[in-house]
Amino acid sequence: GENVEQHPSTLSVQEGDSAVIKCTYSDSASNYFPWYKQELGKRPQLIIDIRSNVGEKKDQRIAVTLNKTAKHFSLHITETQPEDSAVYFCAAKTGGFKTIFGAGTRLFVKA
Amino acid sequence: EAGVAQSPRYKIIEKRQSVAFWCNPISGHATLYWYQQILGQGPKLLIQFQNNGVVDDSQLPKDRFSAERLKGVDSTLKIQPAKLEDSAVYLCASSYPSRGEETQYFGPGTRLLVL
Repeated sequence: GENVEQHPSTLSVQEGDSAVIKCTYSDSASNYFPWYKQELGKRPQLIIDIRSNVGEKKDQRIAVTLNKTAKHFSLHITETQPEDSAVYFCAAKTGGFKTIFGAGTRLFVKA
Repeated sequence: EAGVAQSPRYKIIEKRQSVAFWCNPISGHATLYWYQQILGQGPKLLIQFQNNGVVDDSQLPKDRFSAERLKGVDSTLKIQPAKLEDSAVYLCASSYPSRGEETQYFGPGTRLLVL
């Protein structure tokens, strides 16, 4: 069935370092890939997204890359700050218009 | 622009009881989603509405869960009877699906504890 796998489940980095979170998806018809940030006790909020006709997108310290052939996409956060600490979810919108979320990555940025 | 509203924010019930959640999406958003988020996991789609029609409910446990969006605006999600494993945060989201705009906006969620 449709599936999105996300790695790692936990990531700890030093402030100022980069963080990379990777996801793979199973439905080759997927065409939209959002990333959400969820702080403790808060709602998920979109931080960046990418469509299947684009290979890379950047917004200040955040970038996302997409490899359609490998069915793989990644989130890159540069110059991490303590306020980046949160749970990050990748998601894929399938050909059937359903959004499947990954299990999440808990990012800790140590000051 | 007002966000997605949900109520109640918290609910504690005993197993086998019934519970209902309410969601008011962002004005003009045709698509409404109900997700279940169990602690430590990603949101799992329960049901997706386009206006007042169901687009996907393949992961909705229909023997105990039901949802409706009668006038294509507000929606309610009901659980009857509840089980211990239903303890989770129930998130409502909405989007205005059009070319180039697919962002889902989430409500604050309803935290359900089944004892």
